[in-house]
Amino acid sequence: AQSVTQLDSHVSVSEGTPVLLRCNYSSSYSPSLFWYVQHPNKGLQLLLKYTSAATLVKGINGFEAEFKKSETSFHLTKPSAHMSDAAEYFCVVSEANFNKFYFGSGTKLNVKP
Amino acid sequence: DVKVTQSSRYLVKRTGEKVFLECVQDMDHENMFWYRQDPGLGLRLIYFSYDVKMKEKGDIPEGYSVSREKKERFSLILESASTNQTSMYLCAIPDRGRTGELFFGEGSRLTVL
Repeated sequence: AQSVTQLDSHVSVSEGTPVLLRCNYSSSYSPSLFWYVQHPNKGLQLLLKYTSAATLVKGINGFEAEFKKSETSFHLTKPSAHMSDAAEYFCVVSEANFNKFYFGSGTKLNVKP
Repeated sequence: DVKVTQSSRYLVKRTGEKVFLECVQDMDHENMFWYRQDPGLGLRLIYFSYDVKMKEKGDIPEGYSVSREKKERFSLILESASTNQTSMYLCAIPDRGRTGELFFGEGSRLTVL
């Protein structure tokens, strides 16, 4: 069975400081992993994805995530937060054939001026 | 551009009413998903369909049924709506190119009084 745990429901950072959003997964297969972002009252947007190529994945808006199989983690990072990064972020794991997708419970990122 | 269209953006229903939520896609994709999104719980899979007349239960199917009579249309049915089904409902299809990206409809916000 597959599952995703986002370790923090809320993260607050100051503008210009690093962002770390944590995600751990469990999977019986070689997983594909994704991060989606949802701004207030908006739809979900794909930030980045890992599908068994390079373990360090670069996404949009300066975000990155590193797949660490030994730690079953896929944490999302950004060197310097911007006010526009304030949103909810979802970590997602999928079976290899993309027949099912499992979402984490989400992390709300607050960026203080 | 991929188009996933949900027929109703906002609905208000009374307890016990039958509710139909419809999703139409233009990608000729076999797979279609229904999720519900609730604060602090992320997105939870209700049902998915992998072809016409084929369906499989997700993680929270109780109180819901689905219908897929045509490939482009996937309907979610609440036989007897209850207040705990007040939620945002999202339809999604995976990318045809098998990148794993999910494309979402705009969502149907259902309130059950």
